[in-house]
Amino acid sequence: DTGVSQNPRHKITKRGQNVTFRCDPISEHNRLYWYRQTLGQGPEFLTYFQNEAQLEKSRLLSDRFSAERPKGSFSTLEIQRTEQGDSAMYLCASSSRGEGEQYFGPGTRLTVT
Amino acid sequence: GEDVEQSLFLSVREGDSSVINCTYTDSSSTYLYWYKQEPGAGLQLLTYIFSNMDMKQDQRLTVLLNKKDKHLSLRIADTQTGDSAIYFCAEPDRGSTLGRLYFGRGTQLTVWP
Repeated sequence: DTGVSQNPRHKITKRGQNVTFRCDPISEHNRLYWYRQTLGQGPEFLTYFQNEAQLEKSRLLSDRFSAERPKGSFSTLEIQRTEQGDSAMYLCASSSRGEGEQYFGPGTRLTVT
Repeated sequence: GEDVEQSLFLSVREGDSSVINCTYTDSSSTYLYWYKQEPGAGLQLLTYIFSNMDMKQDQRLTVLLNKKDKHLSLRIADTQTGDSAIYFCAEPDRGSTLGRLYFGRGTQLTVWP
């Protein structure tokens, strides 16, 4: 399967714990995006990488959130000191060009108890 | 680009046509996208249309674009129960060339046998 993959698919954590998610984009795609989706809403943009450079962060991305793409391949999204409001589906997408079609992974569903 | 609007629900009988409507905000958007999301899954790119086109047909899917009214529609012919899902339209953020997408809230399509 050469699509976008995300791990884990589900994560349940207690409030205050740290969590880390991983995204593996389509191999030849140099652009990688993170979105967050809450119930009944469309995905909302969090951050964007072109190769290893993080070029844009949404105001939704508080200081507790950090994302990396160290070698321009896979990316990680870490949430520190999780809060119940962080419960959502975290989606990763990749693209080969700006304004090009973005291909999404299956998402990681985070539940903070 | 932040106010992509869609009606929230649509119910049709199997075999009928479905029409899902969307209004977008940025008249300079070059591409407009339709994504499908099944329960608990990520987003699947269905189709897209370039802004210099009025219509695009792809098997059972027909996309119509009215740039003057900033209106986009997705018609699904011979709708099947497997088409039951949430459908999102999306436009790119033209404020930069980074390609973040703005999504509507999605239209829940229910197909009755």
